[in-house]
Amino acid sequence: EAGVTQSPTHLIKTRGQQATLRCSPISGHTSVYWYQQALGLGLQFLLWYDEGEERNRGNFPPRFSGRQFPNYSSELNVNALELEDSALYLCASSFLSGGALDTQYFGPGTRLTVL
Amino acid sequence: DQQVKQNSPSLSVQEGRISILNCDYTNSMFDYFLWYKKYPAEGPTFLISISSIKDKNEDGRFTVFLNKSAKHLSLHIVPSQPGDSAVYFCAASSGTYKYIFGTGTRLKVLA
Repeated sequence: EAGVTQSPTHLIKTRGQQATLRCSPISGHTSVYWYQQALGLGLQFLLWYDEGEERNRGNFPPRFSGRQFPNYSSELNVNALELEDSALYLCASSFLSGGALDTQYFGPGTRLTVL
Repeated sequence: DQQVKQNSPSLSVQEGRISILNCDYTNSMFDYFLWYKKYPAEGPTFLISISSIKDKNEDGRFTVFLNKSAKHLSLHIVPSQPGDSAVYFCAASSGTYKYIFGTGTRLKVLA
């Protein structure tokens, strides 16, 4: 069974540009989560999508946005990039079953570098 | 404000001995806790979880202990193996499907 996949592996942008990161969940999973791991910090929750809708959002500015497609894959968009957006961005997926807390399975991440 | 704290950034343990990784939390509403392991260039992988109705959960060499009154959980690995060398994250949730992660502890198991 294929795991969570993310693309690209690495992304280099300059300040002010936009970055688009992609995630494909495990087959059958309907929820996708995005996390940011900046240097020296733990994983910071960014966004949660389920069944195509944004369900929850972390404490990040509106220039962090995303969407979930009908096939449950997801995009994370970061507009007006700032130097401090340089981080590892991790995507996770899970299958929600009747409200139970389900284990989140993580992809390998996209390392975004903003110059 | 860091609601989930792992105060030891790193830990070195001899192969065959016990590794104890600690995690403290501040939010009394957290009722579900997980440990993830992360190797370089890979995403975190789920290790073990515990719900607040229990104080211990065991899976092979891994045991998680929860002390609700102290708002503290720990992961014990016995016996430690070189392949256990990784960064370990604890995470907590209050049933909102949003996990709050700690900053991680880098475990190095020495052969």
